Amino acid sequence: DTEVTQTPKHLVMGMTNKKSLKCEQHMGHRAMYWYKQKAKKPPELMFVYSYEKLSINESVPSRFSPECPNSSLLNLHLHALQPEDSALYLCASSHGDRGKAFFGQGTRLTVV
Amino acid sequence: QQPVQSPQAVILREGEDAVINCSSSKALYSVHWYRQKHGEAPVFLMILLKGGEQKGHEKISASFNEKKQQSSLYLTASQLSYSGTYFCGTYSEYGNKLVFGAGTILRVKS
Repeated sequence: DTEVTQTPKHLVMGMTNKKSLKCEQHMGHRAMYWYKQKAKKPPELMFVYSYEKLSINESVPSRFSPECPNSSLLNLHLHALQPEDSALYLCASSHGDRGKAFFGQGTRLTVV
Repeated sequence: QQPVQSPQAVILREGEDAVINCSSSKALYSVHWYRQKHGEAPVFLMILLKGGEQKGHEKISASFNEKKQQSSLYLTASQLSYSGTYFCGTYSEYGNKLVFGAGTILRVKS
């Protein structure tokens, strides 16, 4: 199994809603990542988890809250988002730090 | 710091070759190449580690010049399936963040 699975694929939420994005991998990877990608732009790193501990937070606003319940799962909790947060949110994992990253298909988020 | 990619876009006919360049002002540990098709996830192509090497993957290969902190992706005898946006991503020598370049849009026409 060489897949990173993200759910949901699409999400529309209001600015007062609370929602969560989920990411799962069963490759035994110990590093997991959240990226944000706007149209026609490269993926932009948000968070890195290494061995289930948050190792990098790229100064992401607190309305985004990551969680790593176990080595296979990564969540991104969303609360009080702004329309400018609309983007494709990509999860990725790698065997170790600085390794080859496998990306999930992403969640396309629209904030209304 | 974001690596610089060039060109921004390239249009090819099937069978033609292309080169995409990626350069950094920082000493690099590794360069990663990905291809992303519209509406899909980035797909890993290859990693090059410092030490200056060249790697091949069928008709797609890449090189890494450590002295110049530059990498080039070579696409030979292009196929329609090569169309997409190519991103280089770099880890600096002591860094732990994969930073992507702005991307190169490649379109292959029949």
